[in-house]
Amino acid sequence: GIQVEQSPPDLILQEGANSTLRCNFSDSVNNLQWFHQNPWGQLINLFYIPSGTKQNGRLSATTVATERYSLLYISSSQTTDSGVYFCAVVSQETSGSRLTFGEGTQLTVNP
Amino acid sequence: KAGVTQTPRYLIKTRGQQVTLSCSPISGHRSVSWYQQTPGQGLQFLFEYFSETQRNKGNFPGRFSGRQFSNSRSEMNVSTLELGDSALYLCASSLRGTVSWTGGVAGGAYEQFFGPGTRLTVL
Repeated sequence: GIQVEQSPPDLILQEGANSTLRCNFSDSVNNLQWFHQNPWGQLINLFYIPSGTKQNGRLSATTVATERYSLLYISSSQTTDSGVYFCAVVSQETSGSRLTFGEGTQLTVNP
Repeated sequence: KAGVTQTPRYLIKTRGQQVTLSCSPISGHRSVSWYQQTPGQGLQFLFEYFSETQRNKGNFPGRFSGRQFSNSRSEMNVSTLELGDSALYLCASSLRGTVSWTGGVAGGAYEQFFGPGTRLTVL
């Protein structure tokens, strides 16, 4: 099945810094989503971005489907950005709704 | 519009018991998928339902089962609980089964929205 790798696994920043999280996937995808998992465990949708670039406030994401990677940019980070960020994909082979998740990036933003 | 809801939020069971978890999708969504999250295995797909039929199944033993009702609400059941079943169980809903795919690079893709999860502890 499709493999999803996220890097870095851990990231520690000072408030105000910028960061880039990367997601590599091993096969063509129909769906790619970025999530932020809050301290209570809920996955919060950040972007639905199987291709192209999107921006939402301080966050933006780019997916280059032909090269099989996606990037999540966080600018001017805040302590509330702390948590685990997941990339998840649905491969073209399986389609449907079966998301395959990466292992996540644990982000810590210090004041 | 209300989000995905899951009940109960927390559950403690003992080995050998069975448990039923419930998920109500976003209004208008017909697809419900279930995922298990553990520290060792990460987030793993259990199964997906829409139109009251299981459409896709992950690599879990038969002790894990589910169903979907005509109002799109879904339940998952785990029988003969084991210690390793302790996990956060998340469900997600999407428009799959409601909106037809019209093709393109993102064809066949449906954004999924997750509920708050049910944290199951097996003692």
